[in-house]
Amino acid sequence: NAGVTQTPKFRVLKTGQSMTLLCAQDMNHEYMYWYRQDPGMGLRLIHYSVGEGTTAKGEVPDGYNVSRLKKQNFLLGLESAAPSQTSVYFCASRFITGNQPQHFGDGTRLSIL
Amino acid sequence: KNEVEQSPQNLTAQEGEFITINCSYSVGISALHWLQQHPGGGIVSLFMLSSGKKKHGRLIATINIQEKHSSLHITASHPRDSAVYICAVRYNYGGSQGNLIFGKGTKLSVKP
Repeated sequence: NAGVTQTPKFRVLKTGQSMTLLCAQDMNHEYMYWYRQDPGMGLRLIHYSVGEGTTAKGEVPDGYNVSRLKKQNFLLGLESAAPSQTSVYFCASRFITGNQPQHFGDGTRLSIL
Repeated sequence: KNEVEQSPQNLTAQEGEFITINCSYSVGISALHWLQQHPGGGIVSLFMLSSGKKKHGRLIATINIQEKHSSLHITASHPRDSAVYICAVRYNYGGSQGNLIFGKGTKLSVKP
């Protein structure tokens, strides 16, 4: 049982390049989240999804797009990467019912030069 | 803006010491979470609380709803407890979708 898997684990991009981060979960969770973690700051929500085919903006959505075409996958896209998007990105998922804990992936370290 | 404040930001302890990490929040919540982030970066959920106290091994989490405050205690600390401990809350207000708001974390280092 893999849990939440993020790919890739590390990536270096040049300003203006695009890329997609993949999050896959095998726990049949309805909710999925993308966060970024920056030094001296708490985790901040970028986008989230409450089910297949639905997405919503979080606290810091600008410069990112997401898609949830399949229940198990949540993709985070950077259309034109900027140095300010250098960060560690975490995906998480949880069940819809009640106060359930979130299960996190191991993170993706992204550097934009 | 609803915020989550943790203290201390950094904590160094000797092996065997009793450790307390604090978390305060501003308005009513439906749940409070304590998470642990390992030096390698992975994040795991330790506790989820809406009232009272929970215990798991050497870890104890308490919450005081009236004072809007929670504590995470570690008894008989060990170097393997070295990690960043993160407090997160789910606020009770419409439109929040039950999303979590995270504190900045407390970096704990336990020396042998």
